[in-house]
Amino acid sequence: EVRLLESGGGLVQSGGSLRLSCSASGFAFRDSAMAWVRQSPGKGLEWVATVIGSGTKTNYADSMKGRFTISRDNSKNTLYLQVNSLRVDDTAIYYCARPERGGFDVWGQGTMVTVSS
Amino acid sequence: EVVLTQSPGTVYSSPGESATLSCKASQRVSSTYLAWYQQKAGQPPRLLIYGANKREAGVPDRFSGSGSGTDFTLTISRLEPEDFVMYYCQQYTSPSWTFGQGTRVDIK
Repeated sequence: EVRLLESGGGLVQSGGSLRLSCSASGFAFRDSAMAWVRQSPGKGLEWVATVIGSGTKTNYADSMKGRFTISRDNSKNTLYLQVNSLRVDDTAIYYCARPERGGFDVWGQGTMVTVSS
Repeated sequence: EVVLTQSPGTVYSSPGESATLSCKASQRVSSTYLAWYQQKAGQPPRLLIYGANKREAGVPDRFSGSGSGTDFTLTISRLEPEDFVMYYCQQYTSPSWTFGQGTRVDIK
């Protein structure tokens, strides 16, 4: 079974940092691009970043450049998102997802990040 | 960045009837990279349609996608009770992905 499982979310003060993780199973992780997508409470979906299978190329939404870093460890089948200088408006559910066929075909259940002022 | 505008914000229909959801792009989008998702409360999105009109495996045939260029449509026929939830469109134009703001399908 193809599965993604996020972890690392929690309550953090404004200005703090977090590293989110996404453990993948059931597919050839190293051959797949991976992405992070977030959803603020009661709001829509927002793409954060994407990394190719080898980890050597990344792309970020313009609003995420500078504070967000996507990376992966193919030996551990794990995707990461480092978020620095957290702001209250970064409060969201963060999903990892697999880009495939022009969409995101596999999603994790998400990890909640709450930033307090 | 390509902006996707979904309309209406809420569409009202009845079980057994149909619903038509619109997604308009601020510039031309390749049909290959236009997708639709369904999201139920407390769950991640589920890919329904990719390539503008191709159903993902396991998606019932009452869901259909159409359109090209800047105008795309998701049609849900023979609405079932579990279909009354949120729907999002999404596009990819290298190197960015964007989502529409969503349309809720609600019971009339």
